[in-house]
Amino acid sequence: DAGVTQSPTHLIKTRGQHVTLRCSPISGHKSVSWYQQVLGQGPQFIFQYYEKEERGRGNFPDRFSARQFPNYSSELNVNALLLGDSALYLCASSLGGAGQLYGYTFGSGTRLTVV
Amino acid sequence: AQSVTQLGSHVSVSEGALVLLRCNYSSSVPPYLFWYVQYPNQGLQLLLKYTSAATLVKGINGFEAEFKKSETSFHLTKPSAHMSDAAEYFCAVSVGNQGGKLIFGQGTELSVKP
Repeated sequence: DAGVTQSPTHLIKTRGQHVTLRCSPISGHKSVSWYQQVLGQGPQFIFQYYEKEERGRGNFPDRFSARQFPNYSSELNVNALLLGDSALYLCASSLGGAGQLYGYTFGSGTRLTVV
Repeated sequence: AQSVTQLGSHVSVSEGALVLLRCNYSSSVPPYLFWYVQYPNQGLQLLLKYTSAATLVKGINGFEAEFKKSETSFHLTKPSAHMSDAAEYFCAVSVGNQGGKLIFGQGTELSVKP
């Protein structure tokens, strides 16, 4: 079975630009969560989507947005990129909305560099 | 509010020695606790999780962790370190009323010397 797939794997953007990151969950998983991992730190929660609805949002500015599609894949969008947005962006999928019961499976991430 | 503290940003052990990575949590409600491992330039792999069943949890690759409510701890151990265990380890907490949100510690980098 395919795991959680994220695309692209690496990305370089210029300050002020917009970026879209994509995630496909494990087949049958209906919940997708997004995390930002800055170098040297633990991942920080950005969003959770379950059944195409936002279930949770972390402490991130409105420049960050996300959505989930009918096939449960998800996009994370970041507008007006700042240098501080440079990070590894991780997607995690879970069978249900209460992911802690089912467990979370992480993708390999998208490495975003803002120059 | 929930939080996780990992004691020691870097731990170094010799091959064959005991591995002990420390994690303390703060939660006003019964927590779900996780240990993840991250190899360079990769995502997170689940080692084990505690979901209020047995307090001693066995995971993959010979790792185990014990939930101690009185000490608010969930330390990760492995009896004998292998070179392949060198990686970054993250402890995380989640609570039932916050669905999919994991709160991670800062991580502990494990080095294994030959």
